[in-house]
Amino acid sequence: EIVLTQSPATLSLSPGERATLSCRASQSVSSYLAWFQQKPGQAPRLLIYDASNRATGIPARFSGSGSGTDFTLSISSLEPEDFAVYYCQQRSNWPRTFGQGTKVEIK
Amino acid sequence: QVQLVQSGAEVKNPGASVKVSCKGSGYTFSNYGISWVRQAPGQGLEWVGWISSNNANAKYAQKVQGRVTLTTDTSTSTAYMELRSLRFDDTAVYYCARALDGSGYFAYWGQGSLVTVSS
Repeated sequence: EIVLTQSPATLSLSPGERATLSCRASQSVSSYLAWFQQKPGQAPRLLIYDASNRATGIPARFSGSGSGTDFTLSISSLEPEDFAVYYCQQRSNWPRTFGQGTKVEIK
Repeated sequence: QVQLVQSGAEVKNPGASVKVSCKGSGYTFSNYGISWVRQAPGQGLEWVGWISSNNANAKYAQKVQGRVTLTTDTSTSTAYMELRSLRFDDTAVYYCARALDGSGYFAYWGQGSLVTVSS
């Protein structure tokens, strides 16, 4: 199965700062990668699909890039509501797999 | 709007079975498969499996293969996940999810169903 490794595990930043999250795949997933945001007690929310496409209603401050094995989720200027856990997920192969998550916390 | 509404919390003994339901509305249920994802307390997301809307195809995670059965009932627009021989490490919130149109990405999620395995 494809293993997705996210880094860092925790990112401590202040509102207004830029966040850069990484996801590395153990083998190529082409561009078949998504990013999700999850807040406590809530279901995950799809942010980005096919590596760089924003889902409906997702603010422009969220952007995704990468292909093959290396991917990045960027949040240009953190808003208070952006502090959450972020997961990457691949749909290139079965079984579908998720990264272990990156927590973006308030510094 | 697309909605997935799941059944309530369950408490089961080790070795028992649980069946979680997920009722879809706001879209043509027969056009989309349903995936299941679980999250143990304080842990990350783990894909459990996927079932096509007509029950013809299913995929399962190796960790639950042989203990899980996914089904759908198009007459009631409901998907089901049955997990047997429950173990303590099956304790988790179980989510159903539907893909974004044609993409395979989990765009729509149920509210989650907590399954607790406890003696």
